[in-house]
Amino acid sequence: DIQMTQSPASLSASLGETVTIECLASEDIYSNLAWYQQKPGKSPQLLIYYANSLNDGVPSRFSGSGSGTQYSLKINSLQSEDVSIYFCQQNYDSPYTFGAGTKLELK
Amino acid sequence: QVQLKETGPDLVQLTQTLSITCTVSGFSLTTYNVHWVRQPPGKGLEWMGAMWNGGGTDYNSAFKSRLSISRDTSKSQVFLKMNSLQTDDTAKYFCARDSLYFDYWGQGVMVTVSS
Repeated sequence: DIQMTQSPASLSASLGETVTIECLASEDIYSNLAWYQQKPGKSPQLLIYYANSLNDGVPSRFSGSGSGTQYSLKINSLQSEDVSIYFCQQNYDSPYTFGAGTKLELK
Repeated sequence: QVQLKETGPDLVQLTQTLSITCTVSGFSLTTYNVHWVRQPPGKGLEWMGAMWNGGGTDYNSAFKSRLSISRDTSKSQVFLKMNSLQTDDTAKYFCARDSLYFDYWGQGVMVTVSS
């Protein structure tokens, strides 16, 4: 199975700040990586697919990058509504594993 | 518009079988794959398995032979069935549409396994 190591586990940042979340795959996943945002009590929402493609309706302050085994999600100009848990997922090979999540809070 | 909705029991007894239905609308099960993902309280997401648009299935080996996924295309429903439930199967169970990525999710159903 492909292991997805996500860091940090939690993150505290101020409004307007830029934050970065990282995901490391245990083998090359050829950019088959998605990022999801999950708010308390809600289902995950797709933010980024194929490592760097923004899903429809997602604000442009979100961006994804990376290749091979290393990927990152960047949020520019943090807004209050960005407080959530963020997960990465590889869909290169079954089982389609998720990272453990990053809890983003406001400082 | 695209919608997925999970229905199932709130409570299942230890060692019993869990059955959840995912009813979809706005797309065809013969065009899109549907996956099952679960999330224990306060924890991360775990991929369980998939119903492919062609009718095949794929399972996470972590569930060994406990898990079965099937569908009824005429009713636009995908079914999850898992037996021999244990307390660590307590989780919210989601179905999600796959268009290369999980672009639409149901709201999930919270299932508690009780002794």
